[in-house]
Amino acid sequence: AQTVTQSQPEMSVQEAETVTLSCTYDTSESDYYLFWYKQPPSRQMILVIRQEAYKQQNATENRFSVNFQKAAKSFSLKISDSQLGDAAMYFCAYRSGDTLAGSYQLTFGKGTKLSVIP
Amino acid sequence: DAGVIQSPRHEVTEMGQEVTLRCKPISGHDYLFWYRQTMMRGLELLIYFNNNVPIDDSGMPEDRFSAKMPNASFSTLKIQPSEPRDSAVYFCACTVNPNTEAFFGQGTRLTVV
Repeated sequence: AQTVTQSQPEMSVQEAETVTLSCTYDTSESDYYLFWYKQPPSRQMILVIRQEAYKQQNATENRFSVNFQKAAKSFSLKISDSQLGDAAMYFCAYRSGDTLAGSYQLTFGKGTKLSVIP
Repeated sequence: DAGVIQSPRHEVTEMGQEVTLRCKPISGHDYLFWYRQTMMRGLELLIYFNNNVPIDDSGMPEDRFSAKMPNASFSTLKIQPSEPRDSAVYFCACTVNPNTEAFFGQGTRLTVV
């Protein structure tokens, strides 16, 4: 079974600064997808960024980028120019790419609570 | 599209009562998932459907939990009888196919007293 580990329960960053959230995962599969979701106090789970394991290039979405190290099974999220609205819980998630097995569910880490200091 | 719609947003019930949580997925999203979020266990998959058919219910904790998807636009998660340890936030999510993102509803916060 796959596991996802987020080793930082809480992080804080000064507004306009950069912060990196860590995520490691364990899998024996070669084809899979990785995601970062944001959960603000409203509870809504919002996709921040996704990465296909077969792509070597790190995904980027505006101020959000990832450092995907497949061999190390590491998938960190970098938030640049942090804004007050970035304050939330951030969840790393894994999904198998084995569509034949039908394993379409997301396996989540326990989350990292990010605070942004004005 | 209004996104994934869950109701109610909050539910407080007494132990032993039946609770029904509802979900309306995004039209055309054939995969529907029910997740439970607690402080202790984080987000866990309970069950998921493909084209209204339950595919994997191995995450359903006990026989007290049941889920149905009578049509492509509606799903329910029922707990009968409810217990205080069922208190959690329950999310419904959907996706078009496994290679795309899952869209989540705003969740139902269930409190069983």
